[in-house]
Amino acid sequence: QLQLHLAGPGLVKPSETLSLTCAVSGVSIAGGTYYWAWIRQPPGQGLQWLGCIYDNETTYYNPSLESRLTMSVDTSKDQFSLRLSSATAADTAVYYCATRPLYSSGWFDHWGQGSLVTVSS
Amino acid sequence: EILMTQSPATLSVSPGERVTLSCRASQSVSSNLAWYQQKPGQAPRLLIFGASTRATGIPARFSGSGSGTEFTLTINSLQSEDFSLYYCQHYHGWPRTFGQGTKVEIK
Repeated sequence: QLQLHLAGPGLVKPSETLSLTCAVSGVSIAGGTYYWAWIRQPPGQGLQWLGCIYDNETTYYNPSLESRLTMSVDTSKDQFSLRLSSATAADTAVYYCATRPLYSSGWFDHWGQGSLVTVSS
Repeated sequence: EILMTQSPATLSVSPGERVTLSCRASQSVSSNLAWYQQKPGQAPRLLIFGASTRATGIPARFSGSGSGTEFTLTINSLQSEDFSLYYCQHYHGWPRTFGQGTKVEIK
């Protein structure tokens, strides 16, 4: 079945770029049956949708972060990535990758395990 | 941006009871609403989409209702594994937003 495995550094310095990659297994990204999403959760807080990507031509970003966000997919490796530039302490959060079925209007049915990223010097 | 407001923040209930969680949208989201359950240290799990359709594998004791701006998640005969945090999320326009969550705790 579809599984998502998130990898990335646990610690990022302020002003640097936060980069995360989500590896997909159980389905091919090239199959085109999902949107690939990023969601984060600051410690002790609620969930924030960051954006999603269908292919490298179709992306939707949260307007509050759009100027710093870049999402991409690598179909050859069955993985998708997030880059968040100019990181600050406010970007400290557990980051999740998730899937939105193509047929759906926008719910997230599979989630990765989450990865805590701390922005600190 | 559509603001999602959940109430109450915390519900204290006994096992076997029925519980109703509320979610209100700052403007109509039609039936474009999902509910998730999140346990400590885990990723959220999809419970309900389309305001009232249970996701695959979700027990029948979970039910959702509502449309427009008012939604409820009802859990009948609360089981020990149901004590958890619950979030609503709209998908009516961009950006998608989540409520702040309701914690269901043991009384």
